[in-house]
Amino acid sequence: GAGVSQTPSNKVTEKGKYVELRCDPISGHTALYWYRQSLGQGPEFLIYFQGTGAADDSGLPNDRFFAVRPEGSVSTLKIQRTERGDSAVYLCASSSGLAGANEQFFGPGTRLTVL
Amino acid sequence: DAKTTQPTSMDCAEGRAANLPCNHSTISGNEYVYWYRQIHSQGPQYIIHGLKNNETNEMASLIITEDRKSSTLILPHATLRDTAVYYCIVRESDSNYQLIWGAGTKLIIKP
Repeated sequence: GAGVSQTPSNKVTEKGKYVELRCDPISGHTALYWYRQSLGQGPEFLIYFQGTGAADDSGLPNDRFFAVRPEGSVSTLKIQRTERGDSAVYLCASSSGLAGANEQFFGPGTRLTVL
Repeated sequence: DAKTTQPTSMDCAEGRAANLPCNHSTISGNEYVYWYRQIHSQGPQYIIHGLKNNETNEMASLIITEDRKSSTLILPHATLRDTAVYYCIVRESDSNYQLIWGAGTKLIIKP
């Protein structure tokens, strides 16, 4: 079946603008994660959804970042008043949500560049 | 902070076994060891995970020491396509929570 998809693959914006990044998880996966990755570093956790609700948003760096998952499937990461430091690859992952150790499946990421 | 330490980089000859070490000396009893890899410009890919027994799948083998303070990922016959950054991560079982990533090991397979 289809894997995790993310759109757009690349986004270039200007400082101060608003952006939305979309994630389509694997069908039936109830758990969804957002990470961001700067060059040369491992991914950094942002937020985790279980179904429609954010179970853990402790990784969001500030209130300019917000994410939603209104129907428990597609998720949108929203960044207001973008800053140059927001430039990174934003990764989305999903997992089955079942109890127990299970793997996360990652999308290809959205490369965000803030000029 | 990541709970694991890995070498920054390693080389391996094509066709040979690649052995990637990971130290996780503070691992607790209910934490699994996970390995992911990330090929350039792609999202991370799950490889294998284990609790205390050695594990093997079609991609790799995972050897965990008896005290669980370290592990080794083994790619038995490395190919050029195995060139990637390999991440060792520990995470609680019965949890869908976040993965906490270090910087990983850059593995370069040479022809």
